[in-house]
Amino acid sequence: NAGVTQTPKFQVLKTGQSMTLQCAQDMNHNSMYWYRQDPGMGLRLIYYSASEGTTDKGEVPNGYNVSRLNKREFSLRLESAAPSQTSVYFCASSEGGGSNQPQHFGDGTRLSIL
Amino acid sequence: AQSVTQLGSHVSVSEGALVLLRCNYSSSVPPYLFWYVQYPNQGLQLLLKYTTGATLVKGINGFEAEFKKSETSFHLTKPSAHMSDAAEYFCAVSVQGGRRALTFGSGTRLQVQP
Repeated sequence: NAGVTQTPKFQVLKTGQSMTLQCAQDMNHNSMYWYRQDPGMGLRLIYYSASEGTTDKGEVPNGYNVSRLNKREFSLRLESAAPSQTSVYFCASSEGGGSNQPQHFGDGTRLSIL
Repeated sequence: AQSVTQLGSHVSVSEGALVLLRCNYSSSVPPYLFWYVQYPNQGLQLLLKYTTGATLVKGINGFEAEFKKSETSFHLTKPSAHMSDAAEYFCAVSVQGGRRALTFGSGTRLQVQP
């Protein structure tokens, strides 16, 4: 049972380059999320998708776009990477149906932008 | 909007000693509260959650937490620390009727001394 799978695990980009972080879950969950983790700041929500076909901005959406490709997959795109986007990115999913549902996390993508 | 404060970014205990990690929340409506643990280079794993009902919640690995509405607290405890408990711990909150994403505290790194 893979749970939430993120690719790639590591990536180094140059300023201005673009890339897409991939996330897939095999738990038939309705809701999916993208967070970034920075030292001393916990996890901050970038975007989320309450259900297939919907996406909403979170706390720190600037510089990012997302696509809910289908129920399983939720991708995060950096169109023009900036050093401030150096971070660890986590994808998560939950059954949905209410904000009392726990979230299941992937192992993260460690992204460095030079 | 809800928020979470974790007191103490680093906590060090001796093996076999009591573990106490502090979490206070702010919310205008009844909260749902979670504790997650993160081991190095891994994603977050759910330790326990409080939604409704019993205010003392038991989780995995011998951890428990008590929801105290009057103190707006949800502190995490374990009677006897083990070396394998060394990790970073995050408290998180969501609210009924709100978006399903979590608001995280900044985390507490637990060190266990032999």
